[in-house]
Amino acid sequence: TQLLEQSPQFLSIQEGENLTVYCNSSSVFSSLQWYRQEPGEGPVLLVTVVTGGEVKKLKRLTFQFGDARKDSSLHITAAQPGDTGLYLCARTGGGSNYKLTFGKGTLLTVNP
Amino acid sequence: DAGITQSPRHKVTETGTPVTLRCHQTENHRYMYWYRQDPGHGLRLIHYSYGVKDTDKGEVSDGYSVSRSKTEDFLLTLESATSSQTSVYFCAISESDLSRAFQETQYFGPGTRLLVL
Repeated sequence: TQLLEQSPQFLSIQEGENLTVYCNSSSVFSSLQWYRQEPGEGPVLLVTVVTGGEVKKLKRLTFQFGDARKDSSLHITAAQPGDTGLYLCARTGGGSNYKLTFGKGTLLTVNP
Repeated sequence: DAGITQSPRHKVTETGTPVTLRCHQTENHRYMYWYRQDPGHGLRLIHYSYGVKDTDKGEVSDGYSVSRSKTEDFLLTLESATSSQTSVYFCAISESDLSRAFQETQYFGPGTRLLVL
């Protein structure tokens, strides 16, 4: 099993603060996706990163894929209460074309 | 939003009873998936389908079966529910397989919360 380790598991911050969450593996990713899941709903894809060293921005969210394609980070600038949710990373590869392997997620709470 | 519905959205049942969850899509996507989500385990794949009547096991398939008789419907059956199957179940769809994930998106339904007493 090719595990994805996400950290921190829980994060509670005040509105306006910056934060970074991480997704790591001991093996190389073919590609990596970040999802956000709000309470009572299913995960929604935020971004897919493919190339080592790649940086993608989505408004106040910045996603980075490590040069060795074994890790990724999500940085949120000036967090808002609407950013509250469970952030999941998921990888493809690992011998299956049908399976996404998910990390356990980082539960982010942004307090007003 | 992708057209995915799950029914029921909530269910309470007793140990030993069969339970069927339904996933319905209006996107005509070929691939459909069933996941369960549990604290401390994240999302785990139960079964998936790559076409009508074409299904295969995921990583936690024991105690579950699936059927897909139409493109739009994917059913998950718990043959004899156990307390360990208390979970939130998510259906997902994708247009093609994930070998080219940088061009593919998996869309998730709203989930079914199942409690087995």
